Amino acid sequence: QKEVEQNSGPLSVPEGAIASLNCTYSDRGSQSFFWYRQYSGKSPELIMSIYSNGDKEDGRFTAQLNKASQYVSLLIRDSQPSDSATYLCAAPQAAGNKLTFGGGTRVLVKP
Amino acid sequence: DTAVSQTPKYLVTQMGNDKSIKCEQNLGHDTMYWYKQDSKKFLKIMFSYNNKELIINETVPNRFSPKSPDKAHLNLHINSLELGDSAVYFCASSQDRLQPQHFGDGTRLSIL
Repeated sequence: QKEVEQNSGPLSVPEGAIASLNCTYSDRGSQSFFWYRQYSGKSPELIMSIYSNGDKEDGRFTAQLNKASQYVSLLIRDSQPSDSATYLCAAPQAAGNKLTFGGGTRVLVKP
Repeated sequence: DTAVSQTPKYLVTQMGNDKSIKCEQNLGHDTMYWYKQDSKKFLKIMFSYNNKELIINETVPNRFSPKSPDKAHLNLHINSLELGDSAVYFCASSQDRLQPQHFGDGTRLSIL
């Protein structure tokens, strides 16, 4: 079982709609979670961090964390073509020093 | 100012050669990392140093040797390059393992 799992997509959404991305993790001890955006040919860029259960909003992005169910999600409201990218979910292992990345979900926003 | 910078951006070389990639961060972070991202885009940790001490050494061929002269620098030397080494190599840094990591722009390594 992979430690951090994401649907690889592509997730195709029309412009202006909400894109919903999910991520599940296996390490119950993980305490912090990160969402990165990676444009093609570019490096991963941190867009959200979440540390406690519930929702965290930042602009058009909302991260949701449910530690009991071991999932973290990312909502992108009013999706724009510029949101087309791969979104990576990441969680530090509770023991050890690794930040484990999921395989990423490719999002395509169509005008 | 670039927070995490790595050089070179592109590296095209022949099989069997030895090459190095350099990384520097000006964020004052204690921990630095090397990742490999292959053609399938999966980001895989290779090495991590905390304050010049090696703390992560994943299953990587010993042709790869990291070196951290100080906590702001982490270099990667690769001996006897093979076709399978073709990938994008990212350097990253963070304050500690629980904090988010900041990535450099990547080095695209192509082996002919």
